[in-house]
Amino acid sequence: AQTVTQSQPEMSVQEAETVTLSCTYDTSESNYYLFWYKQPPSRQMILVIRQEAYKQQNATENRFSVNFQKAAKSFSLKISDSQLGDTAMYFCAFLRSGGGADGLTFGKGTHLIIQP
Amino acid sequence: NAGVTQTPKFRILKIGQSMTLQCTQDMNHNYMYWYRQDPGMGLKLIYYSVGAGITDKGEVPNGYNVSRSTTEDFPLRLELAAPSQTSVYFCASSFDSTPSNYGYTFGSGTRLTVV
Repeated sequence: AQTVTQSQPEMSVQEAETVTLSCTYDTSESNYYLFWYKQPPSRQMILVIRQEAYKQQNATENRFSVNFQKAAKSFSLKISDSQLGDTAMYFCAFLRSGGGADGLTFGKGTHLIIQP
Repeated sequence: NAGVTQTPKFRILKIGQSMTLQCTQDMNHNYMYWYRQDPGMGLKLIYYSVGAGITDKGEVPNGYNVSRSTTEDFPLRLELAAPSQTSVYFCASSFDSTPSNYGYTFGSGTRLTVV
């Protein structure tokens, strides 16, 4: 079984600053996917970014990028030029390759607050 | 562009009552999932289905039942509601076992309170 750990229950930064959310995971799988989901107060789960474990290049989506360290089993999310709309819960999630039927394994989340 | 639709959005149940949470998707996805999210926690998998007529237990299935008679619908049944089932419930879907570039599609959730 996989575990996902997010060690920062809450973080607060000023608007326009850069913030990094940490995520570590434990698995014996060699191929898998990692995700960051955003959950604003509306409760909707929104996919932020996705990384395939077999790809060495870190994924990037506009202001969002990841630092994927496979050997260290670390998958941090960096948000550049943070905006008030980035205020939300952020969940790191794991999915083993070919294991879509098993569903995602989520961390407990980090509550990110962007201060004006 | 409906995606995954969940009803109801909110519900209060008394202990021992039963109810069905509805979930339907219009994307022709084969895989469907039910998760629960307790306060301050991540989502945990209750049940999943890989196609019509096929369902299986996830991490926390006790107290729930599911059925999948069509590709589109995946209802979650609570038979004897207990306070421990107070949670937010999410339905999700994916086309197959390999997530698309956009990952899973989630519904907007059902907030259930058992009193």
